[in-house]
Amino acid sequence: KQEVTQIPAALSVPEGENLVLNCSFTDSAIYNLQWFRQDPGKGLTSLLLIQSSQREQTSGRLNASLDKSSGRSTLYIAASQPGDSATYLCAVIGSDYKLSFGAGTTVTVRA
Amino acid sequence: GAGVSQSPSNKVTEKGKDVELRCDPISGHTALYWYRQSLGQGLEFLIYFQGNSAPDKSGLPSDRFSAERTGGSVSTLTIQRTQQEDSAVYLCASSQTSGRDNEQFFGPGTRLTVL
Repeated sequence: KQEVTQIPAALSVPEGENLVLNCSFTDSAIYNLQWFRQDPGKGLTSLLLIQSSQREQTSGRLNASLDKSSGRSTLYIAASQPGDSATYLCAVIGSDYKLSFGAGTTVTVRA
Repeated sequence: GAGVSQSPSNKVTEKGKDVELRCDPISGHTALYWYRQSLGQGLEFLIYFQGNSAPDKSGLPSDRFSAERTGGSVSTLTIQRTQQEDSAVYLCASSQTSGRDNEQFFGPGTRLTVL
């Protein structure tokens, strides 16, 4: 059974600092990995999807890397802003089409 | 151009009652998923529909839970004889096809509280 772990569970940084969020998964036979953002009381917003054949994806200030063989992904958020405060979830999809989620990293960016 | 919508946004019910939760996927998306987000449990898969194929029900926690998808579009998740441990946020997602390369888009969720 796929296990997804996210470290740290919570992170607080001053505005302007770069954020580094880590995700690891136990079964490297994945098809893709998605990073989501969740604001309190809201649903999930997809940020980036990385196919298993890709090493990274970029969107604006966000960059996600994937090392499938070692079972790791890292989400980088450059020049953080208070509006980046949210919970970030990592999820992987395997042969069963289901997303397996980590518990998330709750980020607070202090103004 | 609307995203995935879910209704109601909040539902409070008494233990033992039945509830129905609705999901409208993105138009043209053939795959539809239900997930549950419980405090302390994280997000867990419940059920998956793809076109006219038999759904994958492997994530449903008990036989009190059922779901259907009519006409390949709208889906309803039904919980019979609700119990307090059913309290959670129920999230629906859709994707263009069942392909594993396809991004899943989520609705805002239904927060269910069982008293």
